[in-house]
Amino acid sequence: DAGITQSPRHKVTETGTPVTLRCHQTENHRYMYWYRQDPGHGLRLIHYSYGVKDTDKGEVSDGYSVSRSKTEDFLLTLESATSSQTSVYFCAIGEGQGTGQPQHFGDGTRLSIL
Amino acid sequence: GQQLNQSPQSMFIQEGEDVSMNCTSSSIFNTWLWYKQDPGEGPVLLIALYKAGELTSNGRLTAQFGITRKDSFLNISASIPSDVGIYFCAGRRNNDMRFGAGTRLTVKP
Repeated sequence: DAGITQSPRHKVTETGTPVTLRCHQTENHRYMYWYRQDPGHGLRLIHYSYGVKDTDKGEVSDGYSVSRSKTEDFLLTLESATSSQTSVYFCAIGEGQGTGQPQHFGDGTRLSIL
Repeated sequence: GQQLNQSPQSMFIQEGEDVSMNCTSSSIFNTWLWYKQDPGEGPVLLIALYKAGELTSNGRLTAQFGITRKDSFLNISASIPSDVGIYFCAGRRNNDMRFGAGTRLTVKP
């Protein structure tokens, strides 16, 4: 299995609280991605990173911020969680052609906002 | 935004049968990818296609990049129980990548 670790794997929290999800890779891949997965929507890109301190927005970035201070770590932060952010969050890494593509996914973080 | 229409949404087949699923879009993509997701796990990349008309195989899986660049197909031959899962297509153009909603495959022994 590709070396991607997401933490925590499950979290329940209340509306309005800050939440940070962590993705750690041991593959030294340049690109890292955060996706959310909801029924009927497939996977939707939140933010991605193409290098240390280099990040860009994805399709559903509102309400989320990210940081990448080291090649191996990519953090996703919900500054003030809302119930609409209840979802399963996946981190992915990749190199790929051109601007890269997600080649390996973590096992996901199930986040519930009450 | 660009939408991917993946069909069928679900399939129930007998072990040994062949499976076909497809993904269509109103927009052109430069890359098509197919992933499989098992319950409780993240998706796994099965096949990547980079050129219109390209036909690529990975074991019993075969995928094609449509000539119009607006569609892609995935075929699974001689299905087995471990083929069960959700299959996702994804299309990429420049920095934008979109996923289909998935095809849930059930294989009856």
